[in-house]
Amino acid sequence: DAKTTQPTSMDCAEGRAANLPCNHSTISGNEYVYWYRQIHSQGPQYIIHGLKNNETNEMASLIITEDRKSSTLILPHATLRDTAVYYCIVRVAGIGAGSYQLTFGKGTKLSVIP
Amino acid sequence: DAGVIQSPRHEVTEMGQEVTLRCKPISGHDYLFWYRQTMMRGLELLIYFNNNVPIDDSGMPEDRFSAKMPNASFSTLKIQPSEPRDSAVYFCASSLGGDQPQHFGDGTRLSIL
Repeated sequence: DAKTTQPTSMDCAEGRAANLPCNHSTISGNEYVYWYRQIHSQGPQYIIHGLKNNETNEMASLIITEDRKSSTLILPHATLRDTAVYYCIVRVAGIGAGSYQLTFGKGTKLSVIP
Repeated sequence: DAGVIQSPRHEVTEMGQEVTLRCKPISGHDYLFWYRQTMMRGLELLIYFNNNVPIDDSGMPEDRFSAKMPNASFSTLKIQPSEPRDSAVYFCASSLGGDQPQHFGDGTRLSIL
């Protein structure tokens, strides 16, 4: 799996959009970009994933650059409950043992400030 | 809908004792994963099952670790004998399909004294 690079930490004012960047310059054509977050003392929580098109769900939006070498997770209106460590993960698509493991890096610690 | 349920949430035991961690996956999910999280090594995949059958256990650290899935709604991870270095948070996750998003439980925080 390709490696990802994320800032160690970020702050965001409550009610504002939180934009979390991720670089994955060595991503392959068959690799998805996944985002998870982990709130203190809880298990990782799936947020969103995409291959090459931008994606949106009830939690967030995922913007993937045209060359697929970077992406941005957008939380449109951050709340205090969004304070967590956010992980950007690149994962091989399709069937096969090697594609199932999620490799979590150090992530970005997002602090939402009142 | 209920998510992945793990028990116990916390376990403290003495070195040498047997430890059993339990997991109930999301109903209908056919893949189940066991992970371990430590500060030093982050989140590591230990083993995963498909339709109750172990598929890849290459992440299991030693023979002291074993995992079973007797039916679609229950799995156990057992450590016998336990050692202090086994102290970690153990997560169970499940997914509908191997290449679909995995959904995690809240973990079991294990402390071996």
